[in-house]
Amino acid sequence: AQSVTQLDSQVPVFEEAPVELRCNYSSSVSVYLFWYVQYPNQGLQLLLKYLSGSTLVKGINGFEAEFNKSQTSFHLRKPSVHISDTAEYFCAVSDQGKGGSEKLVFGKGTKLTVNP
Amino acid sequence: DAGITQSPRHKVTETGTPVTLRCHQTENHRYMYWYRQDPGHGLRLIHYSYGVKDTDKGEVSDGYSVSRSKTEDFLLTLESATSSQTSVYFCAISLAGGLYEQYFGPGTRLTVT
Repeated sequence: AQSVTQLDSQVPVFEEAPVELRCNYSSSVSVYLFWYVQYPNQGLQLLLKYLSGSTLVKGINGFEAEFNKSQTSFHLRKPSVHISDTAEYFCAVSDQGKGGSEKLVFGKGTKLTVNP
Repeated sequence: DAGITQSPRHKVTETGTPVTLRCHQTENHRYMYWYRQDPGHGLRLIHYSYGVKDTDKGEVSDGYSVSRSKTEDFLLTLESATSSQTSVYFCAISLAGGLYEQYFGPGTRLTVT
């Protein structure tokens, strides 16, 4: 079974600083990887996904992630954060289910706090 | 907007009572999922459905059952609620055709006293 490790439970940064949120997954022949964001008291929103092709994936709100197969990592980055980026971020990996479905296995989340 | 609604949005119930949460989608998606979210645990899959009347267990299925009698509705039932089932429950759908990502509903906050 797949597993995901988010290495930092909390990341405090100052506004306009760069940030990296780390994610490692268990190895597999092929994986699909995702980052989701959850703003306070809201549901989850897809930030970006890696299915195949270019290892650098760009998402919404200026975020990007790099797929590294040899290190089984999928770290999320943003060069300059805003106060509005304060949220919890979840890394997820797909896991094949029955009937052609793809379940998601989530990491425990990283709370990003952007301070003025 | 994937057209997913959850009801109720908030519920407080007593230990030992049955509870049913409803997930409704408007766009005829084949795959539906129930997750629970707890602090320090992220989201964990409870059950999922790959078609009408086709369901399977997830990582944390004990104490939960599901039913899907029509495409648009996926019900999650706690037969006898316990305090350990206090959580936020999210429903999700995924699109067929190799897109793989899931889209989430707004969540139901359940408190078992």
